[in-house]
Amino acid sequence: GDSVTQMEGPVTLSEEAFLTINCTYTATGYPSLFWYVQYPGEGLQLLLKATKADDKGSNKGFEATYRKETTSFHLEKGSVQVSDSAVYFCALPDQTGANNLFFGTGTRLTVIP
Amino acid sequence: ETGVTQSPTHLIKTRGQQVTLRCSSQSGHNTVSWYQQALGQGPQFIFQYYREEENGRGNFPPRFSGLQFPNYSSELNVNALELDDSALYLCASSLFLGGKGSYNEQFFGPGTRLTVL
Repeated sequence: GDSVTQMEGPVTLSEEAFLTINCTYTATGYPSLFWYVQYPGEGLQLLLKATKADDKGSNKGFEATYRKETTSFHLEKGSVQVSDSAVYFCALPDQTGANNLFFGTGTRLTVIP
Repeated sequence: ETGVTQSPTHLIKTRGQQVTLRCSSQSGHNTVSWYQQALGQGPQFIFQYYREEENGRGNFPPRFSGLQFPNYSSELNVNALELDDSALYLCASSLFLGGKGSYNEQFFGPGTRLTVL
């Protein structure tokens, strides 16, 4: 079935460092792909999305490109801030019926000053 | 516009007990989904309610049940609690426009942290 696989964490970076969090997917066809972020003590927030192959989603300095050749949707940011410390989830929708999402296991990012 | 709200924020129960969690959907939304997020894991889909009926279910046993009310709010009920039910329970609402294969963006609430002792 459809699924996403995220790089294992946690990830610790210094402020202003470059961030990459890897995500690969297995799916029939070309579903939309999402990155969600979960700040400490909060629920999930949609960070960015891409709805078709070669699309680039971007928000708050984060970017991810939907690459069908490598079935990947890696999250990147050029210069992280302490406020980016959170858990990041890659996700794709269930295409078989219910309007639900399949999530990766999440990657915890800690940014130190 | 009011976002998705959940109650209570935290809950402690003992094994074997029953629990009810509540969710109010975002204004204008007609569908509610529930997810279980165990510590250190991604959310797992429990089920979804649309038009007051279950519209899809993940790999969860029947002791996980739900309701959706005419105002689109929802409850998640868990009977015979087990230690492994300890998790963050997330509710998400969306506007389902019908048709399979089309995804309608979900908006998540802050979650209810359930601890089973």
